[in-house]
Amino acid sequence: DTEVTQTPKHLVMGMTNKKSLKCEQHMGHRAMYWYKQKAKKPPELMFVYSYEKLSINESVPSRFSPECPNSSLLNLHLHALQPEDSALYLCASSQDLRQWETQYFGPGTRLLVL
Amino acid sequence: QKEVEQNSGPLSVPEGAIASLNCTYSDRGSQSFFWYRQYSGKSPELIMFIYSNGDKEDGRFTAQLNKASQYVSLLIRDSQPSDSATYLCAVRRDEKLTFGTGTRLTIIP
Repeated sequence: DTEVTQTPKHLVMGMTNKKSLKCEQHMGHRAMYWYKQKAKKPPELMFVYSYEKLSINESVPSRFSPECPNSSLLNLHLHALQPEDSALYLCASSQDLRQWETQYFGPGTRLLVL
Repeated sequence: QKEVEQNSGPLSVPEGAIASLNCTYSDRGSQSFFWYRQYSGKSPELIMFIYSNGDKEDGRFTAQLNKASQYVSLLIRDSQPSDSATYLCAVRRDEKLTFGTGTRLTIIP
């Protein structure tokens, strides 16, 4: 099983809403990542978790709050987002932080903030 | 100067020809180099990675790395229409992976 799953596939939310994105993998990977990708732009790293601990926060605004409840799950909690936060949010995982060649991306959640 | 630079294209190549994609990077401490393929509306898919100077071949794909020139390339032989996609170059240093803006490749039947 080389699959990273993400739910929901699409999400529309208002600026006052609270929502969460979910990512799951069952490959035994111990590093998990959140990326943001705007249209016709490359993915931008947001957060990295290693062994369920936050390893990197790329100066992401606090309206984005990551959570890693266990080694298979990664959540991204959203609150008071802005329209410019509309993007494709990609989750990825890899064996660990040194084995990037094992990195797999999920299909993404397409988020629209109204 | 951008950390990872690619020609945005579009690059049009006839079916069966060799497609050549190029990438330059600014950080001499970069440790490994990746090529991802991304179809429109889909997530990136890793197709090649290279760590050492020289060539690395995998099927129709060849990655080339020249650390002295801070240059990495991807050759696609016998191009197929299914190769039409955006190709993202990515460079890793320590725990961070930085992507280039991607080159849009179109294979013309």
